[in-house]
Amino acid sequence: EAGVVQSPRYKIIEKKQPVAFWCNPISGHNTLYWYRQNLGQGPELLIRYENEEAVDDSQLPKDRFSAERLKGVDSTLKIQPAELGDSAVYLCASSLGLEDSPLHFGNGTRLTVT
Amino acid sequence: GNSVTQMEGPVTLSEEAFLTINCTYTATGYPSLFWYVQYPGEGLQLLLKATKADDKGSNKGFEATYRKETTSFHLEKGSVQVSDSAVYFCALSDLDGNQFYFGTGTSLTVIP
Repeated sequence: EAGVVQSPRYKIIEKKQPVAFWCNPISGHNTLYWYRQNLGQGPELLIRYENEEAVDDSQLPKDRFSAERLKGVDSTLKIQPAELGDSAVYLCASSLGLEDSPLHFGNGTRLTVT
Repeated sequence: GNSVTQMEGPVTLSEEAFLTINCTYTATGYPSLFWYVQYPGEGLQLLLKATKADDKGSNKGFEATYRKETTSFHLEKGSVQVSDSAVYFCALSDLDGNQFYFGTGTSLTVIP
């Protein structure tokens, strides 16, 4: 079974520039998550999708962050414009969404904003 | 609300030493509990899980028991190896299994 695939692995941009991250979840996983992980911290939820519907985006900074999952499969997370404080690892995870189902994570995208 | 508290790191052990990483939780009802491991430059990987009280999750020599009375899920391993060096995260999921709450992680370094 192929795991969660994310790209790119690394991204370095200057502040005020836009950036986008892509995620392809495990086949059959209807629930998709985007997390942000700051250095030395645990993952923090940005947004959760059930199929193509964003069911929890309460922690997404909507002034600069946006996400989409148009066909209920792969997803894109965008930041525009990026700020220095956005430097972090952005993790995508997927799940069957059933009780007791674990999260399966991709390797993440490490973003550095200079 | 739901939350997870892990022991502070970093933890440094010699090879073959006994490992305990403490984790306690606050939750409504009886959540599912997980331990994830993160190796450098990688995402989190599920290490083990337990879904109800007194369940013991185990994998690769690691164990954790779901203790309802103490709201704990401590991770243990009898003899650590250098390859166990990583960051370990305790987590819980809510009753629907859709929201996850993570601890801050405990960094483990095992020296030969």
